Amino acid sequence: EIVLTQSPGTLSLSPGERATLSCRASQYVGNSDLAWYQQKPGQPPRLLIYETSIRATGIPDRFSGSASGTDFNLTIRRLEPEDFAVYYCQQHGRTPLTFGGGTKVEI
Amino acid sequence: EVHLEESGGVVVQPGGSLRLSCAASGFTFGDYAMHWVRQVPGMGLEWVSLISWDGGSTYYADSVKDRFTISRDSDKNSLFLQMTSLRPEDTGLYYCVKVSAPYYDSRSYDSWGQGTPVTVSS
Repeated sequence: EIVLTQSPGTLSLSPGERATLSCRASQYVGNSDLAWYQQKPGQPPRLLIYETSIRATGIPDRFSGSASGTDFNLTIRRLEPEDFAVYYCQQHGRTPLTFGGGTKVEI
Repeated sequence: EVHLEESGGVVVQPGGSLRLSCAASGFTFGDYAMHWVRQVPGMGLEWVSLISWDGGSTYYADSVKDRFTISRDSDKNSLFLQMTSLRPEDTGLYYCVKVSAPYYDSRSYDSWGQGTPVTVSS
């Protein structure tokens, strides 16, 4: 099973600041097999980034994804009030599909 | 617009059985693999199972293998999860999810339902 370790667990920032979220895979994950989701309280997750760096439909360009080896990053260039949420990475290249434990971005 | 609506979640005793359903609309259901993902309130996401676009392949998390069965009825645009021998650790919100590309077993999830809650407790 591919384990995804997200860090930090919680990120305390202010609107306008830059957020960098990390997702480290225990084994090789292809760039086409890594996605990021945003979840707000009481809502299902929403796809933000797929194939490591492609923004999903309607996602603003302040969100970006990148990779270096088994390390994947989600960057939010300038935090807006609506960006405070929990973010999950997911690998879907191999079963069992796995999610990271999540990073909460809070004010 | 894609719409996924789960139903069937209830409170059930340990050892009991339950069948979840997901009604899909807004896309060609028969072209897409479908998955179930669960979430314990306040906790993370756990993949449960997937069924290929044609129903020919199914996969399960080890935690539910041999107890859960995923199926689909493409004539009725419906996805199902038959759950047996339920355990307290199966408690959670169960989401029906659609993969983002046709004919692939597994891709990113571009559509989620609102989830149906399952509670396993005596």
